[in-house]
Amino acid sequence: SQQGEEDPQALSIQEGENATMNCSYKTSINNLQWYRQNSGRGLVHLILIRSNEREKHSGRLRVTLDTSKKSSSLLITASRAADTASYFCATENEGTALIFGKGTTLSVSS
Amino acid sequence: DTAVSQTPKYLVTQMGNDKSIKCEQNLGHDTMYWYKQDSKKFLKIMFSYNNKELIINETVPNRFSPKSPDKAHLNLHINSLELGDSAVYFCASSQEGLVNEQFFGPGTRLTVL
Repeated sequence: SQQGEEDPQALSIQEGENATMNCSYKTSINNLQWYRQNSGRGLVHLILIRSNEREKHSGRLRVTLDTSKKSSSLLITASRAADTASYFCATENEGTALIFGKGTTLSVSS
Repeated sequence: DTAVSQTPKYLVTQMGNDKSIKCEQNLGHDTMYWYKQDSKKFLKIMFSYNNKELIINETVPNRFSPKSPDKAHLNLHINSLELGDSAVYFCASSQEGLVNEQFFGPGTRLTVL
């Protein structure tokens, strides 16, 4: 069954703007991961945040996790045209399969 | 130096045929996976193997049979293909199970006519 649900489904911004995507999930988790998928390609791991962490940074990416609200957000700062892709959150619980959300399609125009 | 590779990249076939998709990883990982991504981009786990042993087998028709000859390879064989099998199939691998990041192959786009 689907665990993560990203919001919004689609996001269009201009280069230089920030992009924020949200993910909500249903059950308790050990960690939450964000992946990027460029059109016609496989998924690429961006960042993993553990259930005991609240915020994590990687370059222009900032991920937050609120386990009380069962939600996470991915912020991409100073976006570039190359950031155009679909972004997925994935949750893992007690060694079961990674469960992916439906994704947010981000379009960055120059 | 491709980390996770899949062949073929595209597969077009008729209903009722049997086909295989191959996957290889050169990362030395001990866990490999097959995912199916539908036309709405929804990605769902199908199988997971750890050191050649099946550890996850989601609700998938038994027409789908994974085979892992060694821990670097996980092939997917599909019998009696149906229209609904049309999708993109991704192979992935990770080290030490699911806690770590997964590395995905480029995908195989299967079209059943």
